[in-house]
Amino acid sequence: NAGVTQTPKFQVLKTGQSMTLQCAQDMNHEYMSWYRQDPGMGLRLIHYSVGAGITDQGEVPNGYNVSRSTTEDFPLRLLSAAPSQTSVYFCASSYRSARDTEAFFGQGTRLTVV
Amino acid sequence: GENVEQHPSTLSVQEGDSAVIKCTYSDSASNYFPWYKQELGKRPQLIIDIRSNVGEKKDQRIAVTLNKTAKHFSLHITETQPEDSAVYFCAASNQAGTALIFGKGTTLSVSS
Repeated sequence: NAGVTQTPKFQVLKTGQSMTLQCAQDMNHEYMSWYRQDPGMGLRLIHYSVGAGITDQGEVPNGYNVSRSTTEDFPLRLLSAAPSQTSVYFCASSYRSARDTEAFFGQGTRLTVV
Repeated sequence: GENVEQHPSTLSVQEGDSAVIKCTYSDSASNYFPWYKQELGKRPQLIIDIRSNVGEKKDQRIAVTLNKTAKHFSLHITETQPEDSAVYFCAASNQAGTALIFGKGTTLSVSS
């Protein structure tokens, strides 16, 4: 049972480049989310999805897009990378919603934008 | 929207002492309050959670208390050990369950 898998683990981008962070879960969870973690700022919600075809914005959505074409996958797209997007990104999933049960996190992606 | 405040930001204790971390939330409709532990370089992992219909929950050396009237909840760790050293995050869900909002974290250091 792999749980939540994120790729890549590390990435360096130049300002203005675009990229997609991949997230996949094999637990048949309906709810998936993306967080960014910055020193002293905790975990801030970027986007979330309550099921295939349904996405919505979290606390800090600007500069990011998401889609949810299948239950398993929830990719995060950076449209035009900026140094302010340097962060550690975590994908998480839980059974039905953010209040039902434990949120399982992926191993994180450390992104540096130069 | 929901806002979660967490204190203190850092906490240093001697092995065997107790540690207490406190959080307050703003949305009175919040009904789920988990605590996560994150070791250096690792992913956050759930250690204990509590729902709004319960005032206290214990799991071995860890306990969480909830005061709905005051809108605050606390994590209590007794008989701390060096392996308890980590960053601890509290969180609160909104009523709809569409978002889990985290506090900014507490770095706990347990010295032997």
